[in-house]
Amino acid sequence: EDQVTQSPEALRLQEGESSSLNCSYTVSGLRGLFWYRQDPGKGPEFLFTLYSAGEEKEKERLKATLTKKESFLHITAPKPEDSATYLCAVYYRVNKFYFGSGTKLNVKP
Amino acid sequence: DGGITQSPKYLFRKEGQNVTLSCEQNLNHDAMYWYRQDPGQGLRLIYYSQIVNDFQKGDIAEGYSVSREKKESFPLTVTSAQKNPTAFYLCASSPRSNEQFFGPGTRLTVL
Repeated sequence: EDQVTQSPEALRLQEGESSSLNCSYTVSGLRGLFWYRQDPGKGPEFLFTLYSAGEEKEKERLKATLTKKESFLHITAPKPEDSATYLCAVYYRVNKFYFGSGTKLNVKP
Repeated sequence: DGGITQSPKYLFRKEGQNVTLSCEQNLNHDAMYWYRQDPGQGLRLIYYSQIVNDFQKGDIAEGYSVSREKKESFPLTVTSAQKNPTAFYLCASSPRSNEQFFGPGTRLTVL
């Protein structure tokens, strides 16, 4: 069964406390994996696209990595403004998209 | 200023009413999508369109209808047949089924 699972559902960090969010997937024919940030009441904001195992992308305090079964979003020394829900999505086969339910990150000062 | 706009931001529907949500993009993207987001759940695909005058049902198309008469516009109608329409609706566009870029969303509430 095609599935995308994000963990943990919620994560509370102190400012400066690095951690990782996980997105595991069981789909065949992966064509791309996307990470988004979503603030309350707003549309998701695109962060990264990863296409193949071993690929990494970085942006400020965020780094996304991809293996054949999962992706990680590493957050280094987070700040309160990094608080948001982080969504991952997979694009697979022909025109198939599947979004995970997200990880809600809360960074306390 | 390129982007995706959705209107209205908030919409209230009475029982038995059809309502239409607007989505416009000036990114010159071929593909456009409509998603529904409920609390604690991932985005679920309602309809998508890869080209003008063509669209496909997503996973939860029942009770919804769309049209794609112009490349820039992809309106979504929530019909009275949709029994539980209260949700946050998101429109997205993408260049040839790659990463999707989202609008700000419309929150629909049934009175």
